[in-house]
Amino acid sequence: GQQVMQIPQYQHVQEGEDFTTYCNSSTTLSNIQWYKQRPGGHPVFLIQLVKSGEVKKQKRLTFQFGEAKKNSSLHITATQTTDVGTYFCAGLRAGNMLTFGGGTRLMVKP
Amino acid sequence: DAGVIQSPRHEVTEMGQEVTLRCKPISGHNSLFWYRQTMMRGLELLIYFNNNVPIDDSGMPEDRFSAKMPNASFSTLKIQPSEPRDSAVYFCASSLGGVIYEQYFGPGTRLTVT
Repeated sequence: GQQVMQIPQYQHVQEGEDFTTYCNSSTTLSNIQWYKQRPGGHPVFLIQLVKSGEVKKQKRLTFQFGEAKKNSSLHITATQTTDVGTYFCAGLRAGNMLTFGGGTRLMVKP
Repeated sequence: DAGVIQSPRHEVTEMGQEVTLRCKPISGHNSLFWYRQTMMRGLELLIYFNNNVPIDDSGMPEDRFSAKMPNASFSTLKIQPSEPRDSAVYFCASSLGGVIYEQYFGPGTRLTVT
């Protein structure tokens, strides 16, 4: 079964509202990567988190890695229409197994 | 750099036919990955190569699928015989070295098997 779960699957927000997607693993992760895929496009790397409790920011995006290294989140402040797309987490598990979450599709109403 | 190059971009074929997808990774990258993406199953890692050697092929669905990497600048994913359930977008990605580095994805090949 899927080892890395992402919630929610879909999220509609009004432009200007905040958005958060969560990634949960059943096992401890070595690191976690986040990717964004625009509609009709391909996944594009956003960031990688390695340390327990790590927090990284990219402009309006904030990424967190849980203390137990089993969960992660991506928070977007004041969404814009350019944020539309599907956000994937990818967790690296023991044995160098990289597993992508199912993705959260973000839709932004202007 | 041109990025990861995939061909063809679209492929429509009939059930039972052989399909070959091609990928050229970014020059200097040592690892290459093949993924399949569908609405039902999401993004699945099929196989990945490190220095042209297959490291993990546990995601390859069945014997109808095979992948090769004869040299550092070229890889193929072959489906023989193809079935309608193979219809998906197939992505190739490359990285500097293994799964610990960020991956650069190609534009994908949209495969339709009728």
